[in-house]
Amino acid sequence: NAGVTQTPKFQVLKTGQSMTLQCAQDMNHEYMSWYRQDPGMGLRLIHYSVGAGITDQGEVPNGYNVSRSTTEDFPLRLLSAAPSQTSVYFCASSPTFYREHEQYFGPGTRLTVT
Amino acid sequence: AQTVTQSQPEMSVQEAETVTLSCTYDTSESDYYLFWYKQPPSRQMILVIRQEAYKQQNATENRFSVNFQKAAKSFSLKISDSQLGDAAMYFCAYRTDSFNAGNNRKLIWGLGTSLAVNP
Repeated sequence: NAGVTQTPKFQVLKTGQSMTLQCAQDMNHEYMSWYRQDPGMGLRLIHYSVGAGITDQGEVPNGYNVSRSTTEDFPLRLLSAAPSQTSVYFCASSPTFYREHEQYFGPGTRLTVT
Repeated sequence: AQTVTQSQPEMSVQEAETVTLSCTYDTSESDYYLFWYKQPPSRQMILVIRQEAYKQQNATENRFSVNFQKAAKSFSLKISDSQLGDAAMYFCAYRTDSFNAGNNRKLIWGLGTSLAVNP
């Protein structure tokens, strides 16, 4: 098992550009989530999904879209990048929504928006 | 609303010695989980240990153990025989176990403690 994979590892965007952060897991997990990690603010939940075709907003969803067409993949789209979205992004998965505490995290994507 | 507080932004320990990281939380619930996650320089978050609130016995995983004081709402992590590979950010996290919580079942995170291990 590769676990949770994320691509790219690093990305630099200009303000206004759009891009998609990829996340995939090969553990047949139902629950997947996206966090951003900023200095002094800990981890904040952006969006999550309890299964294919089902997504919902977390604490800080504005400026981000997600979709879950398959169990394996949960991409995060930045529609029009802003400097405030400079952060480290983590994708995580767990077997089910009610086992969120067993989350496996991906290695992260460091995004800089200039 | 639940909160998690880690009052030590940075800690250091000599290799082979013991260190304790502090975490306090605030909740009005009786059923919940508490976690310690490790984030090494590679940035990947790794679950170190978890504690179910209904269990009185403190969780232990090899060199890692917790001191769970439910009444005091305290959840400290003790690392024994510290190794260089233990150097990392450590995050304390809380999650309700209430079936009625719905979308509020998300993890609530502390801001982290950076642990340095000195050779």
